[in-house]
Amino acid sequence: GENVEQHPSTLSVQEGDSAVIKCTYSDSASNYFPWYKQELGKRPQLIIDIRSNVGEKKDQRIAVTLNKTAKHFSLHITETQPEDSAVYFCAASLFSGGYNKLIFGAGTRLAVHP
Amino acid sequence: GAVVSQHPSWVICKSGTSVKIECRSLDFQATTMFWYRQFPKQSLMLMATSNEGSKATYEQGVEKDKFLINHASLTLSTLTVTSAHPEDSSFYICSAPGGGLAGIIYNEQFFGPGTRLTVL
Repeated sequence: GENVEQHPSTLSVQEGDSAVIKCTYSDSASNYFPWYKQELGKRPQLIIDIRSNVGEKKDQRIAVTLNKTAKHFSLHITETQPEDSAVYFCAASLFSGGYNKLIFGAGTRLAVHP
Repeated sequence: GAVVSQHPSWVICKSGTSVKIECRSLDFQATTMFWYRQFPKQSLMLMATSNEGSKATYEQGVEKDKFLINHASLTLSTLTVTSAHPEDSSFYICSAPGGGLAGIIYNEQFFGPGTRLTVL
């Protein structure tokens, strides 16, 4: 089955710096790669996503890149702010057993220090 | 946008009792819903796929007799944790894929707010 690995598990940056989180996936049939931000005790919030037919997508300070050949995708946050502090999860969607499934990475705890 | 609700938001129960959690799609229909479990400081683990009009599909290692899923209508799925024990204490989150191309082909999902279960 699909396996998604995420690195690093924790990331500490100064306000204004950039943060990069990387994920790899195992199944080349995966076609959708969302990134979620989760604050303590709350639901995951979709912050950006990318489909397999696109190599890069940007939304203000957030960007995602996808390398299908290498089977990895990355989240880039520029000009980080303290409110960016949260746990970030990558995921990969795979059609398996008759259903689409989202498989999540282990998560990255991002701390942005003022 | 698509909204998914869950009820209750938190529940505390005694060991051995059963707990039912509801997941509703408020402004769209969902023939499929997903149930996840999240332990503290861990990721979301898919437990099962709930299907309207048919049996749920459980992930490997998830006991179907312990975690009963019923997809009663196009807007409601329920998860019942039977004979709950302290090790079942966790954050349970449901989700539903949106409609159209985004939901069907690319599996864009909308998450409920989660239910925190504590078993004493």
